[in-house]
Amino acid sequence: NAGVTQTPKFQVLKTGQSMTLQCAQDMNHEYMSWYRQDPGMGLRLIHYSVGAGITDQGEVPNGYNVSRSTTEDFPLRLLSAAPSQTSVYFCASSRDRGLSTEAFFGQGTRLTVV
Amino acid sequence: AQSVAQPEDQVNVAEGNPLTVKCTYSVSGNPYLFWYVQYPNRGLQFLLKYITGDNLVKGSYGFEAEFNKSQTSFHLKKPSALVSDSALYFCAVSRPFYGGSQGNLIFGKGTKLSVKP
Repeated sequence: NAGVTQTPKFQVLKTGQSMTLQCAQDMNHEYMSWYRQDPGMGLRLIHYSVGAGITDQGEVPNGYNVSRSTTEDFPLRLLSAAPSQTSVYFCASSRDRGLSTEAFFGQGTRLTVV
Repeated sequence: AQSVAQPEDQVNVAEGNPLTVKCTYSVSGNPYLFWYVQYPNRGLQFLLKYITGDNLVKGSYGFEAEFNKSQTSFHLKKPSALVSDSALYFCAVSRPFYGGSQGNLIFGKGTKLSVKP
């Protein structure tokens, strides 16, 4: 059972480049989200989706786009990379968006922007 | 506004000793509280949650957490620490959107637990 799969695991970008972080889940979960993890700041929500075709902004959405064409996939696009986007990115999914529902996380993508 | 605080950046414990990782919260309404663990170079894993009922919640790997409404705390505990428990621990609260029943997680900054042999 794969759970939540993120690719790539590591990436180095030059300032101004664009790229897509991939996320796929095989649990038929409705709800998916992207977080970034920075030292001493915990995890902050970038974007989320409550189902195919529906996305919305989280706490720190600037510089990122998402789409959800299928239940399984939720890619995160960096439009023009900046050094401030150097971070570890986590994709998560949960059965639904209920208050008591736990999330499942991917292994993360460590991104460095130079 | 909902928030979570983890007052300790790091907790050091000797193997075999009890451990406590502290968490306090601020929410309006009933709290939905979670603990997650992150091992090096891995994603977060769910440990346990408090929804309602018994104030002592048992979770994975022998961990438990005590909910205290009067102190607005949700401390993570384990009676006997193992070296393999060394990891980063996150407390989280589920936040309702638009006052409804759908939520999303607000995380604390994390506490690094180091268990020495």
